[in-house]
Amino acid sequence: GAVVSQHPSRVICKSGTSVKIECRSLDFQATTMFWYRQFPKQSLMLMATSNEGSKATYEQGVEKDKFLINHASLTLSTLTVTSAHPEDSSFYICSASRRQVDYGYTFGSGTRLTVV
Amino acid sequence: AQSVTQLGSHVSVSEGALVLLRCNYSSSVPPYLFWYVQYPNQGLQLLLKYTSAATLVKGINGFEAEFKKSETSFHLTKPSAHMSDAAEYFCAVSESNSGYALNFGKGTSLLVTP
Repeated sequence: GAVVSQHPSRVICKSGTSVKIECRSLDFQATTMFWYRQFPKQSLMLMATSNEGSKATYEQGVEKDKFLINHASLTLSTLTVTSAHPEDSSFYICSASRRQVDYGYTFGSGTRLTVV
Repeated sequence: AQSVTQLGSHVSVSEGALVLLRCNYSSSVPPYLFWYVQYPNQGLQLLLKYTSAATLVKGINGFEAEFKKSETSFHLTKPSAHMSDAAEYFCAVSESNSGYALNFGKGTSLLVTP
């Protein structure tokens, strides 16, 4: 149980285009989801926290107009990278909170974004 | 604000030897602490977590960690390393003051040699 499905796993897009990444909790309700970014050989950096039905809270230094996060339902959160540039190339990972259940978190398998 | 420090970005052990990965935390309130493992180009898998119950936490794959408040530590150990343990390990902390978002350490790359 407690599976989070993240799609796509890999995406290559042209500079200037937008890319949407989906994160679905398959068998539980995720009231809170977190989005992370991971550069090669580095740790995960929190980008934003999204609560179902409300606006996402972005970490300092993360452009909210560039990284659009939507959490319209208890099972789906999306991250859209708008007007992508090569420096946006990274590994993006979502995480759903199960705090009310067992203080745990379930992670998606990640999305490797390459902007060319 | 909470944070974790992982001492040693790379740790190398022989197969069958003790694994010890160090993690120290900083938190203004009682923290929740986690250890995750990540294989290349994959997401994170939970090894174990501390949520203010027993201070010695047993996880999957033979790993365990002990919460020591006096030392603000949560070191990860495994008695005997296996080749399949080679991966990246992350210690993480969450607390109520930060909306329970996980804050990760920089990670420790574990190499297991034959």
